[in-house]
Amino acid sequence: LAKTTQPISMDSYEGQEVNITCSHNNIATNDYITWYQQFPSQGPRFIIQGYKTKVTNEVASLFIPADRKSSTLSLPRVSLSDTAVYYCLVGSYNQGGKLIFGQGTELSVKP
Amino acid sequence: GAVVSQHPSRVICKSGTSVKIECRSLDFQATTMFWYRQFPKQSLMLMATSNEGSKATYEQGVEKDKFLINHASLTLSTLTVTSAHPEDSSFYICSARDIGGQGEKLFFGSGTQLSVL
Repeated sequence: LAKTTQPISMDSYEGQEVNITCSHNNIATNDYITWYQQFPSQGPRFIIQGYKTKVTNEVASLFIPADRKSSTLSLPRVSLSDTAVYYCLVGSYNQGGKLIFGQGTELSVKP
Repeated sequence: GAVVSQHPSRVICKSGTSVKIECRSLDFQATTMFWYRQFPKQSLMLMATSNEGSKATYEQGVEKDKFLINHASLTLSTLTVTSAHPEDSSFYICSARDIGGQGEKLFFGSGTQLSVL
């Protein structure tokens, strides 16, 4: 199972773009990269998933370089409500869907 | 997106009693569900993998007789904490894999806060 490394915490201000990078040096060929958001006392919420290059949805973008050994979650124009813990996970169906959570990044958005 | 319902959201019980937590996939079938526990200010720790119609697979260090898992249908998995003790107090979260989509996408329940007195 690919191990992930993220910054423990990040601070930002409202309206700024926030980029959170995750390292996953031993990612396997079939692995996808998925990011989740978690608020206190709630289950994680799916944000975005990608395999290579760039993926964009209504809330975030995910940038994956060609070697796929890292990925960057980009949150445009954050607000106070984006204060949460963000987890980067790597896995594939070949592993039976078992995803191991790393430490996550605690994002604090200030006014 | 797919919805996973988890009940109860909060439970307080006396030491020595058993507590059952339910996890349901509402709009998709889940042959595999996962149970995690989370302590304050820590990440989620995978406890076990629940497979429909077969025995659960437990992670190292998780007592299978303590945490009973049943996955009797494609939409329901239950976790029973038997003879609960204060050290079992934690936030328990279930998740289900949507095999209809691409990639390794898991959807999570809202969690159950267990407090053992």
